[in-house]
Amino acid sequence: GAGVSQSPSNKVTEKGKDVELRCDPISGHTALYWYRQRLGQGLEFLIYFQGNSAPDKSGLPSDRFSAERTGESVSTLTIQRTQQEDSAVYLCASSSSTGDGYTFGSGTRLTVV
Amino acid sequence: GNSVTQMEGPVTLSEEAFLTINCTYTATGYPSLFWYVQYPGEGLQLLLKATKADDKGSNKGFEATYRKETTSFHLEKGSVQVSDSAVYFCALRVQGWGAQKLVFGQGTRLTINP
Repeated sequence: GAGVSQSPSNKVTEKGKDVELRCDPISGHTALYWYRQRLGQGLEFLIYFQGNSAPDKSGLPSDRFSAERTGESVSTLTIQRTQQEDSAVYLCASSSSTGDGYTFGSGTRLTVV
Repeated sequence: GNSVTQMEGPVTLSEEAFLTINCTYTATGYPSLFWYVQYPGEGLQLLLKATKADDKGSNKGFEATYRKETTSFHLEKGSVQVSDSAVYFCALRVQGWGAQKLVFGQGTRLTINP
C-alpha cells in the first residue's frame, strides 16, 4: 500500500484481556519494527523483523508480549493479560532492505482500564 | 550501548525566532543520524538525516550537521513558524544485521506562538 497501515487506531480494553494489534507495512518493505510510546515519553523499541524472522526481540517488556509476521507482509503484536502500564501508543514502521527511510504508521492507542 | 540524549522540553518560541534543539549521542560503530517530527494527531515523519561525519541534512528550512568530534546532531532553523509546532525526535541507527533498529531520544515538544 501507499503507507504503513495500523489497526485498530484506538483500542480500549479491560485489564486482564488479550489484545491484538495489526500492522500492514509498505509493499516490498522487508524490515518491520514495533515501538511503544507512553504518554509524554520517547519511543521504546519492542521488536524488529527482517522478513518473517525476528533477529531482535530485546525490547519486548515481558513474556505477555509476542509478535509474528507472515512472510514480508502483515505483522501482529499480541499482548496477553493486559495491565494498566501497557497503556500507550503502539507504533509500527517499515523500511526497505537498505534499512534507510523508515515509514511509520499512525499508531494504535491502547488504553487498559 | 547506543543512546540519544535530547534537550528537554517543552520549548516555546515566538514566530520568526531562531530555533536550536540539542541532540548528542553515544554509539558503538558509525551511526546514521536522523531527526523525526510528529505533528499533532499524526504519525512520525522523517525530517532529515545524515549518514556520515560532517554531512548536513536539511529539509523545510531545518538543518542539522553530523559532528563526530562532539557526537552531536543539533537541529536548527533560522525562522520558525506556527506550523512548526510539533514534537521532534533525534535518533540514530547503527548498521548491521540485527542492529537495524532506530534508537530515539525522548523527544522535544516545540510550541510556536504567533
